[in-house]
Amino acid sequence: EAGVTQFPSHSVIEKGQTVTLRCDPISGHDNLYWYRRVMGKEIKFLLHFVKESKQDESGMPNNRFLAERTGGTYSTLKVQPAELEDSGVYFCASSRGLAGGPAYEQYFGPGTRLTVT
Amino acid sequence: AQSVAQPEDQVNVAEGNPLTVKCTYSVSGNPYLFWYVQYPNRGLQFLLKYITGDNLVKGSYGFEAEFNKSQTSFHLKKPSALVSDSALYFCAVRDPPSGTYKYIFGTGTRLKVLA
Repeated sequence: EAGVTQFPSHSVIEKGQTVTLRCDPISGHDNLYWYRRVMGKEIKFLLHFVKESKQDESGMPNNRFLAERTGGTYSTLKVQPAELEDSGVYFCASSRGLAGGPAYEQYFGPGTRLTVT
Repeated sequence: AQSVAQPEDQVNVAEGNPLTVKCTYSVSGNPYLFWYVQYPNRGLQFLLKYITGDNLVKGSYGFEAEFNKSQTSFHLKKPSALVSDSALYFCAVRDPPSGTYKYIFGTGTRLKVLA
């Protein structure tokens, strides 16, 4: 099966601009997660979708970040306006729903490296 | 608060020698523990997990990890390191009673295996 894919792989934008990151989970995975790793630090949870619903968005840093998962398939994460501290690697992960197996095993994408200058 | 600690930023080991990458955790309840590896320009790849049962779990690429409840540790090990094992390793925990599936990660340990 195809893995989790993310687009773009790299993005360089100026402070104040808008960027949209996309994640395509593994087909059939109900759970989709966004994480972020700021340089040298731990990978931090941002939010969790179950199908199209936000299950947990406790990790979203502020209201400049907006995540959507229309139709319960792919997801987008928009940062508007971007700030310098938003730079980092944004990872997407997916896992099966409860009926489909161990929901706790997450499969990660390659990440999007975002640089805000 | 739940947390994961990886006390070493980098571990150097000679090829053929055993390796250990350390991880300790702090969670409420019984932990679900994971190790992931990130090779350059690649995503995080699952190595192994501990959910319940035998404290020694075996995973991909010859890696294993030992769950120690009294020491709240889950160290990653391999009997004989390969140069190709050089990568960034992350330990993660999920607290099952929380009702969400989010992972809490450590800061990562860079493993360098020297030929």
